[in-house]
Amino acid sequence: SQQGEEDPQALSIQEGENATMNCSYKTSINNLQWYRQNSGRGLVHLILIRSNEREKHSGRLRVTLDTSKKSSSLLITASRAADTASYFCATDAGGNEKLTFGTGTRLTIIP
Amino acid sequence: DAGVIQSPRHEVTEMGQEVTLRCKPISGHNSLFWYRQTMMRGLELLIYFNNNVPIDDSGMPEDRFSAKMPNASFSTLKIQPSEPRDSAVYFCASTGLAGGTDTQYFGPGTRLTVL
Repeated sequence: SQQGEEDPQALSIQEGENATMNCSYKTSINNLQWYRQNSGRGLVHLILIRSNEREKHSGRLRVTLDTSKKSSSLLITASRAADTASYFCATDAGGNEKLTFGTGTRLTIIP
Repeated sequence: DAGVIQSPRHEVTEMGQEVTLRCKPISGHNSLFWYRQTMMRGLELLIYFNNNVPIDDSGMPEDRFSAKMPNASFSTLKIQPSEPRDSAVYFCASTGLAGGTDTQYFGPGTRLTVL
């Protein structure tokens, strides 16, 4: 099974609303990353949160990490049409360079 | 910087043909990753290199797949012979931090269709 699994698989909201996506993982990590993928494009890094951090902000993005529950959430505030994309969490296996990506959440912002 | 460059962007070939995908990582980056993305299996790591040396190829599906990195600025992923189930988008990514995880910078991908 996937190291990282996002839910929901798909999310549609009105422009201006907040979008929350969740990621669960199975093994210990050094850090967790979130990436965005627009249709037909490569993945773009959004934010990295280390295992000793609980919350991190970047612009309209807020990421939380709960290592006791092995879960993370990505909050996008005041959503815009341009936020329409798939969002993936990625975890390392603790000390090496490999990232394991989750299955992704497909976010659609309705204008 | 131009970012990670991949070529070709699209490739259509017939079953049994050899396919070569190319990647130029970001200058100065010393780790390079090849991924495959399909609807059914999501994003899978095939192989990664550090300082041009293959570190982990456990994700390479079978002997039909091979990858090389002859120098710091170029890598190839070859499929010989290709099969319809190899149809996917293949991504190359690079990162500048060795020995740990860091932001990966992805190329635009090569969409491969094997008929």
